[in-house]
Order: sequence, then C-alpha cells, then structure tokens
Amino acid sequence: DQQVKQNSPSLSVQEGRISILNCDYTNSMFDYFLWYKKYPAEGPTFLISISSIKDKNEDGRFTVFLNKSAKHLSLHIVPSQPGDSAVYFCAASATNNDMRFGAGTRLTVKP
Amino acid sequence: NAGVTQTPKFQVLKTGQSMTLQCAQDMNHEYMSWYRQDPGMGLRLIHYSVGAGITDQGEVPNGYNVSRSTTEDFPLRLLSAAPSQTSVYFCASSAISGAGAEAFFGQGTRLTVV
Repeated sequence: DQQVKQNSPSLSVQEGRISILNCDYTNSMFDYFLWYKKYPAEGPTFLISISSIKDKNEDGRFTVFLNKSAKHLSLHIVPSQPGDSAVYFCAASATNNDMRFGAGTRLTVKP
Repeated sequence: NAGVTQTPKFQVLKTGQSMTLQCAQDMNHEYMSWYRQDPGMGLRLIHYSVGAGITDQGEVPNGYNVSRSTTEDFPLRLLSAAPSQTSVYFCASSAISGAGAEAFFGQGTRLTVV
C-alpha cells in the first residue's frame, strides 16, 4: 500500500510565480516529513524537512506546510525559477528510519 | 569529497544471472540503505543497515541480499535476476539513524533484466 501519495504527476508554472506541490499520507506514526529534488540521471538531493510538532518550516524560497489533522503537507516555492524544474519527492519517516516516498511530481518552470 | 558512489551506472543482465551493485560512502555515516525507483511508484526501500554487521529488510526485500562488513560499503546482491527487477537502484547514507535524517543519495544504477 502506498502510504505517501503525490496525486499530481506534473505541474507547470511561469517563472516568478508560486509553485505548490502537494503530498498526502496515511500513516499517523510518521513524525518527520522531507522533500527531495531530483534532476535527470542524478540521485535525489535533500531540500527541506519538517517535524510533526511544527506546522511550517521555511528555508529561503522554499516553505513546507504540515496539516496533521488532514495528513497533508505542501511545498511552496516562491518565486519559481527555471532551475527549479525537476522531479520533487515527498518522503515520510517514523523513528525506525523506514522512509517512505511518494511517486513524485515533475515541476516545469517556464521562462 | 565523493559522497555516495555507486557502481556500475548501467547494467544489462540475463534472467537468472546474479550480480552485485556496489555502494560506498566516505562520510563515515552509520546508516545506509538501498532503494529502487519504478515509474509511478516513487522510491521503495529494499534493505537498510544501521551500522556495520547490522542489516534489516525494507518494503521490498525479496530477491535481494545485503551485507555490511564495513562502515563504508553496503553492496546489494541480486541472487537470480528477474525482469521484474528492471529498475533504477539508489544507495543512500545518513549520519544518524532516526526520523528526519537527511539522506545523501548516489547517482543510481540503471539495471535492465532481459
């Protein structure tokens, strides 16, 4: 069963606008959530994370929001840049380090 | 600083052949793991290790073996390759074992089983 779901396979936005990537999870035992970015022919790279005791974490242009009651998190990128074009994976982990990933969302930022 | 190094980058196997995917990290990380990435499925955890001599199964362990004799190396062995094991394999390491630990990934091994 897929415990982490990214229901949008792709997203296209204009440069300078906001990109919002969504993620839902089903396992209430998850207590850390992470976003990874992946370029073609490369491994994923860590972007930002959030603990379940917080509802927001910000790092420059990237902000992650967590809604525990809805089991939903989102990644906001403002302003979006062409270099942000990549596949973004949402991941969730519990204390046993068993990290589960979503299927990914391909973001395209158009100049 | 090389980070996480995977070899080979590409491999074609015949059904029934065995092979070992190599993974090495130079960051002295205790935790290492193997994932496979398939279209529409994201990354799925195969096996992981919290330190030398300790390994455990992940979400999709069948058909794979691992060992961890040193902190640096974590090879993944395919015992008898099957077409269902055609995938991109990623090795990852992290400094601490526990929720929220940032994982560093290798560049991946693209495996095709014919």
